[in-house]
Amino acid sequence: DIQMTQSPSSLSASVGDRITITCRASQSISSSLNWFQQKPGKAPKLLIYVASSLQSGVPSRFSGSGSGTDFTLTISSLQPEDFATYHCQQSYSLPHTFGQGTKLEI
Amino acid sequence: EVQLVESGGGLVQPGGSLRLSCAASGFTFSSYWMHWVRQAPGKGLVWVSRINGDGSDTSYADSVKGRFTISRDNAKNTLYLQMNSLRAEDTAIYYCARASTAGASRYYFDCWGQGTLVTVSS
Repeated sequence: DIQMTQSPSSLSASVGDRITITCRASQSISSSLNWFQQKPGKAPKLLIYVASSLQSGVPSRFSGSGSGTDFTLTISSLQPEDFATYHCQQSYSLPHTFGQGTKLEI
Repeated sequence: EVQLVESGGGLVQPGGSLRLSCAASGFTFSSYWMHWVRQAPGKGLVWVSRINGDGSDTSYADSVKGRFTISRDNAKNTLYLQMNSLRAEDTAIYYCARASTAGASRYYFDCWGQGTLVTVSS
């Protein structure tokens, strides 16, 4: 199985900050990497697919980059509604493993 | 509006069975691969199973293989997960998700249900 490792596991930030979350795959996954946002008690929401494509309706302050084994999710200017948990996931091979999550806190 | 609504969760004893349903609306259900993903309380997301559009191709995580069966009824626009021989470690919120594709091995879950809680306990 491909292992997905996110860092950091938690992050404290303020409104207006620029933050970056990293996801590393245990082997190359090309660009088959997706990012999700999850708020407490809610289902995950797709933000970025195939590493850098912004899902429709997602604000442009969210961006993704990377290929191979190393990927990043960047939020350019944090808004109050962005405080949530972020998950990466690979779709390169089965099982479609997720990272352990990054909790973004004020 | 694209929508997925899960049902069927609840409390079940170890060794028991449960069938989850996921009702789809707002899109051509038979055209999409569908997946189940679970999340134990306070834990991360774990992929469970997938099925292709006509139901002829299925895959499972090793942890549920031989115990869980994914299926679909395209006439009813409904996805199912039959769960047998349930264990305490199967306790989780179960989400169904629609998979869209941007090319080979480039799948992404662009629509999720609200989840249904399964609790396995005596």
